[in-house]
Parts: sequence; C-alpha cells; structure tokens
Amino acid sequence: KQEVTQIPAALSVPEGENLVLNCSFTDSAIYNLQWFRQDPGKGLTSLLLIQSSQREQTSGRLNASLDKSSGRSTLYIAASQPGDSATYLCAVSNFGNEKLTFGTGTRLTIIP
Amino acid sequence: GAVVSQHPSWVICKSGTSVKIECRSLDFQATTMFWYRQFPKQSLMLMATSNEGSKATYEQGVEKDKFLINHASLTLSTLTVTSAHPEDSSFYICSARDRRQGVLFFGYTFGSGTRLTVV
Repeated sequence: KQEVTQIPAALSVPEGENLVLNCSFTDSAIYNLQWFRQDPGKGLTSLLLIQSSQREQTSGRLNASLDKSSGRSTLYIAASQPGDSATYLCAVSNFGNEKLTFGTGTRLTIIP
Repeated sequence: GAVVSQHPSWVICKSGTSVKIECRSLDFQATTMFWYRQFPKQSLMLMATSNEGSKATYEQGVEKDKFLINHASLTLSTLTVTSAHPEDSSFYICSARDRRQGVLFFGYTFGSGTRLTVV
C-alpha cells in the first residue's frame, strides 16, 4: 500500500527566502507525482506534475524534483511571498491504478 | 485548461436529511471522477471512484448506502449524503482526470470543495 509523507508539517519563513518542501513515498512504482496548493476552506490548485520518467519540472518560482529510486520529491519555492502562504500537498499515482494517494501536507506561512 | 465546478460550496442541513453535491467537468469529458473527504487539518482521503455509466467503486470503510454516487453523464457526477448525521460534517472535494492530452498526461483537476455541516 502506497504511503506518502510530507516533512515538515508546518513551516514559517520570512518573506524573500527560498525554501524546500519534502515529500516521500514508499512504493517507487509510480506513474507520476503532482504538487498541489490548498488555501483554507478551498479546493486544490495543481502546481506541477512530474511524470515518472522526468526528474524535474519548473513553473515560475516553483521547481519540483523527483527521485523515484529513493522515493522522494522536493518542491523548491524561490523568493517566497506572503501570497505563497497555504498548505502544500503532494500526491502520487501508481501504475495500473488511477487513484491518487495524498501526503499529509505542509502548512506554509510566509512572514511579511 | 481543465475546469471542474463543484456545487454547493457550503451547505447546512438538519440531522436525518439528505444532501446532494454536484461535480461538473466544464470543458472536458470525464469518464472517471473521484470523491474525497477532508477533515480539519488533515489530508484528503479517497472515498470512491465514480465511473460514467457504471457503479462507483468505494474505498474500504466507506458506506456505499450512505454515500450514493451517480455518474450518469460524461460531465456530471453527484454525491448524495443520505440521512446525514453530525459526524458526516466534513469538507468534500471531487476531482476528474483530463485525458485530452493523451496517455502521458495524467493530471487531476479538483473542484473547489463543499463544506457540509450537519446540525
């Protein structure tokens, strides 16, 4: 059974700093990994999708990496802004299974 | 891009009544939709997979008679919470997979969620 863990559970950093969020999964036979952002009381917004054959994806100030063999992914946020404050979730899908398994989330607070 | 519309965004109902939540894919066809439940400060837990034209597949521990799922068209899936009780109060989110870009694209689009409060 796939299990996804995110560390840290909560993170507070001053505005302008670069930061890294971590995601680990137990079953490396994944089809892809997706990072989402969730604002309080809202749905999920997709940030980046990494296929199993890829090692990283970039979108603006966001960069996600994937090391399938070690079961890890990181989300790098450059030059953080107060608007980046949200909960970040990673989720994986496995081959032969359309279901997404979500991580526990990291609640990020950017201090102005 | 793919858009999933979910309604209502919030609902308050009396204990014992039923509540229906709709999930629509606005600009693509979704043969498969997913229903999640999220408790405060917790991650999303998959409840069931909704397949167009067939019965939904429920995750272990989810009561299919309590959480009725209907996926009658390629753009609409509904979740009905029957005989709701306070413990059913939660945040419910649907998602759909956009297959338009071929087999390599396997991203999921999520609705905005429904906050259900049973009093």
